Amino acid sequence: DGGITQSPKYLFRKEGQNVTLSCEQNLNHDAMYWYRQDPGQGLRLIYYSQIVNDFQKGDIAEGYSVSREKKESFPLTVTSAQKNPTAFYLCASIMTGRDGYTFGSGTRLTVV
Amino acid sequence: ILNVEQSPQSLHVQEGDSTNFTCSFPSSNFYALHWYRWETAKSPEALFVMTLNGDEKKKGRISATLNTKEGYSYLYIKGSQPEDSATYLCASPEMTGGGADGLTFGKGTHLIIQP
Repeated sequence: DGGITQSPKYLFRKEGQNVTLSCEQNLNHDAMYWYRQDPGQGLRLIYYSQIVNDFQKGDIAEGYSVSREKKESFPLTVTSAQKNPTAFYLCASIMTGRDGYTFGSGTRLTVV
Repeated sequence: ILNVEQSPQSLHVQEGDSTNFTCSFPSSNFYALHWYRWETAKSPEALFVMTLNGDEKKKGRISATLNTKEGYSYLYIKGSQPEDSATYLCASPEMTGGGADGLTFGKGTHLIIQP
């Protein structure tokens, strides 16, 4: 079955460390997205990519970085510059702008 | 950044009752309105993508309407069942980028169906 795989499900990071969250899709979707969820807030867009080797900042890109070397993969790195990284992170993809998004199951990151 | 708002924030409904909730969004430069269902420990699931004013979409006992002129959409659930318990999200993309520049989400309506 086609879908989006996010790994790991839970991740613990020490302060000052970078950590990379994985997102892989086998849907042949062109566009991929990273969202962050915090309690009491809507999902907020971190970065997105509409095509390989190209990506754009979303609303809360500071302290994050991404790459899109392959169509199937869109990893998110949470850097030590991100002041409040503890959150739930969701990856999503679409074929066209008129489609509903397909989401992964998320990664919960905790800074310890 | 678009302003997408949902109400109520949470809702308790008796099994078998029907219910509805609201999503409001900017009516200017409208492109599309998305509805998602997010069950605990699962991925958000797309319910509807609506683009036309006056449109009504249906999926089983769930339906949605869209008013782009006044900037709101209603989601209706008929005869609520325990499996309808979830958070329902609405979202809208910016008109730029053909709707593929990412969605702005509301905070969601948390629906609990009580047996």
